[in-house]
Amino acid sequence: DAGVIQSPRHEVTEMGQEVTLRCKPISGHDYLFWYRQTMMRGLELLIYFNNNVPIDDSGMPEDRFSAKMPNASFSTLKIQPSEPRDSAVYFCASSLILGTADSPLHFGNGTRLTVT
Amino acid sequence: EDQVTQSPEALRLQEGESSSLNCSYTVSGLRGLFWYRQDPGKGPEFLFTLYSAGEEKEKERLKATLTKKESFLHITAPKPEDSATYLCAVRSYNTDKLIFGTGTRLQVFP
Repeated sequence: DAGVIQSPRHEVTEMGQEVTLRCKPISGHDYLFWYRQTMMRGLELLIYFNNNVPIDDSGMPEDRFSAKMPNASFSTLKIQPSEPRDSAVYFCASSLILGTADSPLHFGNGTRLTVT
Repeated sequence: EDQVTQSPEALRLQEGESSSLNCSYTVSGLRGLFWYRQDPGKGPEFLFTLYSAGEEKEKERLKATLTKKESFLHITAPKPEDSATYLCAVRSYNTDKLIFGTGTRLQVFP
């Protein structure tokens, strides 16, 4: 299994531009999570999906952020317009059904976003 | 509100010098406590899940333990390749969210 695949690995953009981050979860996993990691705040949950349906988006900072999961093998996180304070590493993670004994999150290697 | 606090923020050890990392948590009904390892430029990698007080899990030089208020990650005779950031996370019965601490950055010198 290739694991969770994120693209791009690095993204540098100017303030005001639209940014789209992509994620392919592990096949068969029915939960997908988007996290943001910064030195100051650590890993923060932004949103998660179950069976392609958004369940909790209370961590999404503001309306500039949106996430979609059109099918079981693809998700996007979009920031429009981007701001310098959005600079962080964004991680996608997937998981099997929660509540079972072994249901840890499996993370991708992240997208490092820099907004200048 | 569920909360996780890890200490110390950073730890420097000599190779072979055993130590422990602490994870204190506040959660409304613990469903599971997770330990992850994160290397620079990589995503967190799963190590252990603990479910109830008194439980212990081991993997090579690492042993994780759990009480009702905290978890410890014991590192016995560490090697330089154990250098990484170790993250603790909790999941409660009220939600499917995994709430992370800010991690302990471990450096092991030869």
